[in-house]
Amino acid sequence: GAGVSQSPRYKVAKRGQDVALRCDPISGHVSLFWYQQALGQGPEFLTYFQNEAQLDKSGLPSDRFFAERPEGSVSTLKIQRTQQEDSAVYLCASSLQPTGVGVNTEAFFGQGTRLTVV
Amino acid sequence: QKEVEQNSGPLSVPEGAIASLNCTYSDRGSQSFFWYRQYSGKSPELIMSIYSNGDKEDGRFTAQLNKASQYVSLLIRDSQPSDSATYLCAVPNFGNEKLTFGTGTRLTIIP
Repeated sequence: GAGVSQSPRYKVAKRGQDVALRCDPISGHVSLFWYQQALGQGPEFLTYFQNEAQLDKSGLPSDRFFAERPEGSVSTLKIQRTQQEDSAVYLCASSLQPTGVGVNTEAFFGQGTRLTVV
Repeated sequence: QKEVEQNSGPLSVPEGAIASLNCTYSDRGSQSFFWYRQYSGKSPELIMSIYSNGDKEDGRFTAQLNKASQYVSLLIRDSQPSDSATYLCAVPNFGNEKLTFGTGTRLTIIP
């Protein structure tokens, strides 16, 4: 595809419900990131994949959050037993190569999934 | 202290003037610095990257980096109403790849 695609764009979940958010990165991009953006804040890192390997999940706020990228392409962020504090925009980004000086580091963001937990 | 700090604004600038956005960071080892623009309800879009001390110009945008003082700034010349957006400063953690963002500065260009 032309860009990073995320679905659904909007999700309303009842508290306690499980949700799954999907990210289709740009074809061929090695790195994939998930960020959480609360209203009026900058994105906060959740987790990072290099191909299918989850190299960093230090930003996941609790064990209710789980992410996978089994074939090194599409990724899913799953949130179990959603809580109101999980309400935010979840952004997926991909880049051709890992970030770092002198590398093609631009991370392209998807449009995000706005999750509202009621 | 947050790792990346920005004034949240809002910052209002008359059309045609220079908008100046500032960012400070705490990790002295940081090597790369990015400015993203985010329109309301949209995703962040990279507009500038800078790696070396000094200035980097791209059209109406100039990024300035001072590693000794640990700040990076973005100047927008001849500001246009279409520049009205939130500008996010981001610093990658070399080695574990994640971007640490500031809270963003909301810029409004007044016609």
